[in-house]
Amino acid sequence: GQQLNQSPQSMFIQEGEDVSMNCTSSSIFNTWLWYKQDPGEGPVLLIALYKAGELTSNGRLTAQFGITRKDSFLNISASIPSDVGIYFCAGRETSGSRLTFGEGTQLTVNP
Amino acid sequence: GAVVSQHPSRVICKSGTSVKIECRSLDFQATTMFWYRQFPKQSLMLMATSNEGSKATYEQGVEKDKFLINHASLTLSTLTVTSAHPEDSSFYICSAKSGTGKSYEQYFGPGTRLTVT
Repeated sequence: GQQLNQSPQSMFIQEGEDVSMNCTSSSIFNTWLWYKQDPGEGPVLLIALYKAGELTSNGRLTAQFGITRKDSFLNISASIPSDVGIYFCAGRETSGSRLTFGEGTQLTVNP
Repeated sequence: GAVVSQHPSRVICKSGTSVKIECRSLDFQATTMFWYRQFPKQSLMLMATSNEGSKATYEQGVEKDKFLINHASLTLSTLTVTSAHPEDSSFYICSAKSGTGKSYEQYFGPGTRLTVT
């Protein structure tokens, strides 16, 4: 199926640093979702975005729905070791409930 | 809220046998459930979408006779891998979407690691 372009593929940062990752698509999406997946676990929903331009925070996480409706970014401020994991963006096109997933960003935080 | 469970969490089976994986929404009614497959270090690949009381919709390339999906109630969907082969070894994850509230939020189960020997 269609894939979103998610970048970067991996990041290695020091504890306390801020992190930014993004997803772009050739299609217009009506919904953007950001998930985190720990090894051997299912993805956990972090933030859901429903309107172009929407900026939503969840603790140290902030995500935005791009104005063009073809992109979204996720920022993590003041990273901590438990932020380690794989972050996936997911988008929903204009019809149906099917989600398209990005390829993931592997985040490593060094204490 | 929005808890989804899967059982079993891990299963090892012999080639040629069938394996059933259960997905349950514990605190909400799921009008739609989804089954994904994930290979190591890869993204989630949607296999099929199942709506309660109707036949599942399979993604292109997914054999419906091999991956049997049943969504008999608003809280339970099952995936049966029939005549499993080693190439079916993977991490299978279900998700559930509530029919109310924020309609497009999918909540995922913890996954089932299938190993076919």
